[in-house]
Amino acid sequence: KQEVTQIPAALSVPEGENLVLNCSFTDSAIYNLQWFRQDPGKGLTSLLLIQSSQREQTSGRLNASLDKSSGRSTLYIAASQPGDSATYLCAGPYGGSQGNLIFGKGTKLSVKP
Amino acid sequence: EPEVTQTPSHQVTQMGQEVILRCVPISNHLYFYWYRQILGQKVEFLVSFYNNEISEKSEIFDDQFSVERPDGSNFTLKIRSTKLEDSAMYFCASSLRDPSQSEKLFFGSGTQLSVL
Repeated sequence: KQEVTQIPAALSVPEGENLVLNCSFTDSAIYNLQWFRQDPGKGLTSLLLIQSSQREQTSGRLNASLDKSSGRSTLYIAASQPGDSATYLCAGPYGGSQGNLIFGKGTKLSVKP
Repeated sequence: EPEVTQTPSHQVTQMGQEVILRCVPISNHLYFYWYRQILGQKVEFLVSFYNNEISEKSEIFDDQFSVERPDGSNFTLKIRSTKLEDSAMYFCASSLRDPSQSEKLFFGSGTQLSVL
């Protein structure tokens, strides 16, 4: 069964710093991995989806990588801003399921002005 | 930008009562899902729905739960007899294509269900 772990659980950085959030998964047969952002009391916003055939995806200041062999994905945020403060979740599919995503517990990011 | 809409945003109910959570997925999407998040815990999959039937369900989705797409726009989750442990944020999601084809899921803002 797919298990997804995220470290650190919380991270506080000053504005402008570059940072990396980590996600590890147990089933290397993963066929994609998504990173989401969750604001307090709000829904999940999909940030990036990396397919198993890809190693990286970029969107603006965000860059996500996927290394299936090591069971790891990272989300790199460049030049962090206070508006980036949120909880970041990674999720991978369970087996060959349709939409059964296994989520990590998330990293709560706080960017201080 | 199209979005998934959920109503109500908050629902308070007494234990044993039936609740219906409502969702309007993105209009041209074909795959629909319910997830939940108990306070302080991970987001958990409940059920996926395609072509007017359940595609997959988790162990959480027992006989007390049911889903329905009563018309061309709404997608509902019914809990027949709520329990205290059903208190959670319930998220609806949709996708255009089969997520096994690496399709993004789009989530609504959630319904916070409190069972007293």
